[in-house]
Amino acid sequence: AQKVTQAQTEISVVEKEDVTLDCVYETRDTTYYLFWYKQPPSGELVFLIRRNSFDEQNEISGRYSWNFQKSTSSFNFTITASQVVDSAVYFCALLPGGGANSKLTFGKGITLSVRP
Amino acid sequence: DTEVTQTPKHLVMGMTNKKSLKCEQHMGHRAMYWYKQKAKKPPELMFVYSYEKLSINESVPSRFSPECPNSSLLNLHLHALQPEDSALYLCASSYSGLAVWNEQFFGPGTRLTVL
Repeated sequence: AQKVTQAQTEISVVEKEDVTLDCVYETRDTTYYLFWYKQPPSGELVFLIRRNSFDEQNEISGRYSWNFQKSTSSFNFTITASQVVDSAVYFCALLPGGGANSKLTFGKGITLSVRP
Repeated sequence: DTEVTQTPKHLVMGMTNKKSLKCEQHMGHRAMYWYKQKAKKPPELMFVYSYEKLSINESVPSRFSPECPNSSLLNLHLHALQPEDSALYLCASSYSGLAVWNEQFFGPGTRLTVL
């Protein structure tokens, strides 16, 4: 069975603070894919990043960075110098690499509020 | 064109009404998905179409009826819904239903209220 745990439910920071969103996953598959999505109040889920299980390189994209550690089954997301526009719900998701019927498992989401 | 569009944005319907949700993408994606999302919850998968064929039905009640007329269009026909069906309905697409590692791109959703 697949499981994604986002233990933080709500985080509130002041603009320009750095913030890390945690994601821990469970799977028995050796091949799997991890994702982060952002859901602003408008409702649309915005794709942020995909990582496969064979690529543990960390990634940086502007103010966003991701830390993938297989040893701890974690895929954490850091926003540097947060901005009000970063306020949203962030979902971590896991896709096992088992074939065409594989399904995306979402964590419960973290509501991030960035105050001016 | 790199987006998934959904119409209508909002829908209010009675329990005896019949309505349809529409989703469209022009990215050449061959897998399309319907999700249901209740407030403060993650999306829940309802249906998956791969190459215009229904490949996954997550035991969704028959009052929800999906249809994929062609590779760019996905409909969700609604009939005799219950108030608990009120939710945000999200459509998504991905490059290929066989290449399951491809990220899914989501539309803005339809906010459905059943009275």
